[in-house]
Amino acid sequence: QQQVKQSPQSLIVQKGGISIINCAYENTAFDYFPWYQQFPGKGPALLIAIRPDVSEKKEGRFTISFNKSAKQFSLHIMDSQPGDSATYFCAASGSVTALIFGKGTTLSVSS
Amino acid sequence: NAGVTQTPKFRVLKTGQSMTLLCAQDMNHEYMYWYRQDPGMGLRLIHYSVGEGTTAKGEVPDGYNVSRLKKQNFLLGLESAAPSQTSVYFCASTIAGGYYEQYFGPGTRLTVT
Repeated sequence: QQQVKQSPQSLIVQKGGISIINCAYENTAFDYFPWYQQFPGKGPALLIAIRPDVSEKKEGRFTISFNKSAKQFSLHIMDSQPGDSATYFCAASGSVTALIFGKGTTLSVSS
Repeated sequence: NAGVTQTPKFRVLKTGQSMTLLCAQDMNHEYMYWYRQDPGMGLRLIHYSVGEGTTAKGEVPDGYNVSRLKKQNFLLGLESAAPSQTSVYFCASTIAGGYYEQYFGPGTRLTVT
């Protein structure tokens, strides 16, 4: 069964700290790995995505690290801010259609 | 552009009642999806469509039907609602190809009593 396992389920980080969320996948056919951010009462929105031909992608304070051999990828949020408090979903896709989502991580950044 | 819109925003149904959720997008996207979101379960794909007149089953299709009669609209139907279908439903769309951003609507919160 295709799965994407995400951890931790919840995370509390001090303002200015680094938030790290990890995901693992099983299907080696997956070749697109996005992260979505969701604020309460809103739909998810794409935050950053990576293809397996690179090991890292950075956009501002957000970085995806990708380890193809371990079938793992992670999201790092540098200098975490209270405005980053949200639910984060990792996902994976290998077909031209559907994304398989992790179960989500609720991040709270305390000021 | 309105992006992806969903109607209604909230709905309460009694067990056995039927309803249709409407998703509309004005971005000329080929692919459209229906997901449900439950606490601790993430987003699970119900049905999807890769073009007008085509639909396919996702991970959790039982109890739901869909139709894509027009490219811009994707309808999700519940023929006989059950309490297990209490959830938040999200519609999403994207351009053809599969490796591009999915744009999500604001969601419909459905409660079945």
